[in-house]
Amino acid sequence: DSGVTQTPKHLITATGQRVTLRCSPRSGDLSVYWYQQSLDQGLQFLIQYYNGEERAKGNILERFSAQQFPDLHSELNLSSLELGDSALYFCASSVNQGGYGYTFGSGTRLTVV
Amino acid sequence: GNSVTQMEGPVTLSEEAFLTINCTYTATGYPSLFWYVQYPGEGLQLLLKATKADDKGSNKGFEATYRKETTSFHLEKGSVQVSDSAVYFCALSVQIGTGNQFYFGTGTSLTVIP
Repeated sequence: DSGVTQTPKHLITATGQRVTLRCSPRSGDLSVYWYQQSLDQGLQFLIQYYNGEERAKGNILERFSAQQFPDLHSELNLSSLELGDSALYFCASSVNQGGYGYTFGSGTRLTVV
Repeated sequence: GNSVTQMEGPVTLSEEAFLTINCTYTATGYPSLFWYVQYPGEGLQLLLKATKADDKGSNKGFEATYRKETTSFHLEKGSVQVSDSAVYFCALSVQIGTGNQFYFGTGTSLTVIP
């Protein structure tokens, strides 16, 4: 157990729907990062939050949004889902800005049918 | 820009063989370098890191040296075991504005056969 908790572990939904993925960072970590891992795109950075504020943005689609709450947990919202959004979504956390490495959760596998 | 290039797999080795997985990078500024490992069905785990030139990261028999002159961070292990079978990712971390962004390589799948 890495200390980073992601729920749910698996999610199957239809195209056009909206889902919310949840991440609880390791105790004491202030930064949360979201990544998408797919077979054809590899590991893609989506977005980073630090203590509730957005700090860095990667290849995140406009249909996707995220936030970090006062208790430091984070949610990734995916809307108007397409088949191509099927992937593993990882959350990671770090104490500071991540310069010394992240701790990853075990991921949420999203399947869009 | 910032990017990481690592050798393509899959790599198949016999137990006790020597392992090298090549990784080179392009970065602005002064990146930190990392190797992560992903076992089947799990998230990525930090294997080792180096935060400045000439640093050597090591863990579980794996080593990598931050070579600024060749912009490389090759992963090595003298004698691999079946339990080392996994996907290995090279990554760099750079400061972007007030945040920090990681760039991952595409991963190299390693299979060790008895």
